[in-house]
Amino acid sequence: GAGVSQSPSNKVTEKGKDVELRCDPISGHTALYWYRQSLGQGLEFLIYFQGNSAPDKSGLPSDRFSAERTGGSVSTLTIQRTQQEDSAVYLCAIKPGGGYNEQFFGPGTRLTVL
Amino acid sequence: SQQGEEDPQALSIQEGENATMNCSYKTSINNLQWYRQNSGRGLVHLILIRSNEREKHSGRLRVTLDTSKKSSSLLITASRAADTASYFCATQTGANNLFFGTGTRLTVIP
Repeated sequence: GAGVSQSPSNKVTEKGKDVELRCDPISGHTALYWYRQSLGQGLEFLIYFQGNSAPDKSGLPSDRFSAERTGGSVSTLTIQRTQQEDSAVYLCAIKPGGGYNEQFFGPGTRLTVL
Repeated sequence: SQQGEEDPQALSIQEGENATMNCSYKTSINNLQWYRQNSGRGLVHLILIRSNEREKHSGRLRVTLDTSKKSSSLLITASRAADTASYFCATQTGANNLFFGTGTRLTVIP
């Protein structure tokens, strides 16, 4: 979607390896979200960042998952010791400022763990 | 879980027909949003309806909300082949989090 880019678009890795997924949003957004979508399923909330507040990590499925946002902008989602069940599309979304409640999504990273 | 559920899971119609998708949810909400997803990648926001609204229109889209039944419907009129996609409802309860349903896969046959 306009204003949010993600990289890589596709990532294939071997079980046990660490991966880092990147989200590069437009400036001026108020909140940034990470979701996971397994094949044919809905979106599963993982984590969100807002301002300088501590991130809401309540959706992270295990301690192998972590995320950070640097300078209030670029965010990286790291998955350590990947497992086959981590295979999914990982989507980043932002809420722009101005009181909007809609979220604007990036194109996602398709992760495949062999 | 606050996650919504869409019904039906899949819908196939002829071009020109109307498509109706339903969403049910479990808790009180601030607003409900509908999103569209093509090819399993990024979602596109379609329409938002607030908890104090009952109906909203945007182009060929019509959304209704019944908070007493905790349900919403999305109607796409005069469907086109390009409307083929997955459609998700998402509920917002607090200031930030959205909880997505499992989606309806719509196929519009030319």
